[in-house]
Amino acid sequence: AQSVTQLGSHVSVSEGALVLLRCNYSSSVPPYLFWYVQYPNQGLQLLLKYTTGATLVKGINGFEAEFKKSETSFHLTKPSAHMSDAAEYFCAVMDSSYKLIFGSGTRLLVRP
Amino acid sequence: NAGVTQTPKFQVLKTGQSMTLQCAQDMNHNSMYWYRQDPGMGLRLIYYSASEGTTDKGEVPNGYNVSRLNKREFSLRLESAAPSQTSVYFCASSDGGGRYNEQFFGPGTRLTVL
Repeated sequence: AQSVTQLGSHVSVSEGALVLLRCNYSSSVPPYLFWYVQYPNQGLQLLLKYTTGATLVKGINGFEAEFKKSETSFHLTKPSAHMSDAAEYFCAVMDSSYKLIFGSGTRLLVRP
Repeated sequence: NAGVTQTPKFQVLKTGQSMTLQCAQDMNHNSMYWYRQDPGMGLRLIYYSASEGTTDKGEVPNGYNVSRLNKREFSLRLESAAPSQTSVYFCASSDGGGRYNEQFFGPGTRLTVL
């Protein structure tokens, strides 16, 4: 069965600092992986996805994630945090029935 | 293009009351989903509909029923609400047919059951 673990329910960074949000997955099939972002009082919006091919995936708003099969990880990074990046971020893996399995989420706080 | 719309945005119920959450999408998507979001638990799938005319249980279906009214609309019904159903409910849709198809989410319904 597929599962997702996000380390750290809250991450706090200074504006301009590196953002690193961690995601590890478990999957019995080749994983299709997603990062979604949720701004306050809104629905989820896709940041990026990994299906096959290049392991470094670029998304919207300057975010990127690297698929590392040997580490079963799909960590999300951004070189320089902006105040507008403050949100909750969800990692998800798609199971063999095309359903998304979500992690518990990481809330990113950006300090001025 | 409105995307995925949900009504109502907020609702307060008393224990034992019933209600239906409405969801509609205008992207001609085949698949639709209902999730609930609780603090520290991410999103959990309640029910989904892979295509018009089909529905299947997700991870947490107890206490809920769904209807895929047509290709556009997918409703979620609570027959007898319980405080444990206090949550934020999200509807989503996707084109289906592949494991990499993005799901598009509605803005959510905040439900409180007293």
